[in-house]
Amino acid sequence: AQRVTQPEKLLSVFKGAPVELKCNYSYSGSPELFWYVQYSRQRLQLLLRHISRESIKGFTADLNKGETSFHLKKPFAQEEDSAMYYCALSARWTDAGGTSYGKLTFGQGTILTVHP
Amino acid sequence: KAGVTQTPRYLIKTRGQQVTLSCSPISGHRSVSWYQQTPGQGLQFLFEYFSETQRNKGNFPGRFSGRQFSNSRSEMNVSTLELGDSALYLCASSPRVPGTEAFFGQGTRLTVV
Repeated sequence: AQRVTQPEKLLSVFKGAPVELKCNYSYSGSPELFWYVQYSRQRLQLLLRHISRESIKGFTADLNKGETSFHLKKPFAQEEDSAMYYCALSARWTDAGGTSYGKLTFGQGTILTVHP
Repeated sequence: KAGVTQTPRYLIKTRGQQVTLSCSPISGHRSVSWYQQTPGQGLQFLFEYFSETQRNKGNFPGRFSGRQFSNSRSEMNVSTLELGDSALYLCASSPRVPGTEAFFGQGTRLTVV
């Protein structure tokens, strides 16, 4: 079974400071990992995915298979980054009949607050 | 392209009643998943449907059920409501096979009194 752990429920930083939101996972297969963000009064939306290796809104995340981690980082936090962040792992498999199954497992979430 | 639409946005029900929530996925998406979001438990997976078939189910009691129609629209039903069922219920659709990138709706806020 897959599991995603976000050890920090709350994280507070000051504007301009670096920020790192931690995510660890356990999964026996080849993981596909995502970060989702939920701003106040907005829907949950995809921030970035590890296979894209992209930087979105200044955030980056590197998959470390050795440490089974996918931490989200930003060198200089902005007030508008304040939100709930979820790390998610996609597990997919195919049965003997060729039917595909899949499940997105989310961590508990981290509420990031960036103070002015 | 219209996003994932959930109706109703808010619901207040009494213990013991049942409720049906609706989700319209993004056009062309065939996979629909449901999640329960609470402050204490975060996002909990309920179930996923693909091409009208339930492909995966989370650890929720049988009071929680769902279905998907031929147009990919989905409904979830909760019977014999309990106070602990109060939560934000999120629907997400995926373009490809189940368990891939999900696009979320605004959610239905259910309050059980």
